[in-house]
Amino acid sequence: GENVEQHPSTLSVQEGDSAVIKCTYSDSASNYFPWYKQELGKRPQLIIDIRSNVGEKKDQRIAVTLNKTAKHFSLHITETQPEDSAVYFCAATPGRQLTFGSGTQLTVLP
Amino acid sequence: SAVISQKPSRDICQRGTSLTIQCQVDSQVTMMFWYRQQPGQSLTLIATANQGSEATYESGFVIDKFPISRPNLTFSTLTVSNLSPEDSSIYLCSAGDRNTEAFFGQGTRLTVV
Repeated sequence: GENVEQHPSTLSVQEGDSAVIKCTYSDSASNYFPWYKQELGKRPQLIIDIRSNVGEKKDQRIAVTLNKTAKHFSLHITETQPEDSAVYFCAATPGRQLTFGSGTQLTVLP
Repeated sequence: SAVISQKPSRDICQRGTSLTIQCQVDSQVTMMFWYRQQPGQSLTLIATANQGSEATYESGFVIDKFPISRPNLTFSTLTVSNLSPEDSSIYLCSAGDRNTEAFFGQGTRLTVV
C-alpha cells in the first residue's frame, strides 16, 4: 500500500516569512495529493490539492509543487500570518482512501 | 462540497461497553471512511465503509472490534466495542468520491474510564 512521509514534524517561522513542508510517497500509481490544515480541536480542512497531471498549483499565499519522478510534493506558504499556525497534513491516493503523512506543527511567531 | 454531520461529538464510556458513532452526509457519495486520530498524531484509517456490503478493514483493525454499517450512500455508523482505555481517541468519518477532496465530520472524542 501507499506510504507517505512528511517533514519536518515541527516548524517555527517569523510572521511574514515563508514555510515549506515536504512529503514523499511510495506508490507510483498515486495521482491525487491534497493538503489539509487542522486547527486544535477541529476537523481537517482541505487547503489545496494537486493532481498528477500538473506540476504546480497556487492559491493566493499557498502553493503546492509535485515531482512525480522523485515522488515528492511540497506545500509552500508565503507571507505567513499567526492564523496559519496549525497542524498540516499531506496525503496521497491512487484513487480510493487517502494515506496521510505524520503531520507538521507550524507555529508562526509574531 | 459535502457537509458531514457526525455525532456524538464526545462521550465518556465505561470499560466493556460500546459506543456507536453516526455519520450523515448531505449528498450521495461514493466512498465513506472511518479514521482514528490519537492526540497529536496523524489520521489512521480504520476501514472503508462499503454500501450494501461488509466494510474493508485495514491491518490491525477487525470487524468484531469495529463493526461498521453503511445502509445507503449518505449514512454510516462505526461501533467501537468492548471498550478499554486504549480506545480513548478521536474518531473521524470522511466522505468523498474517487480522486477528489475528502470531507471530514467534526470528530467524536471518546474517553474510556
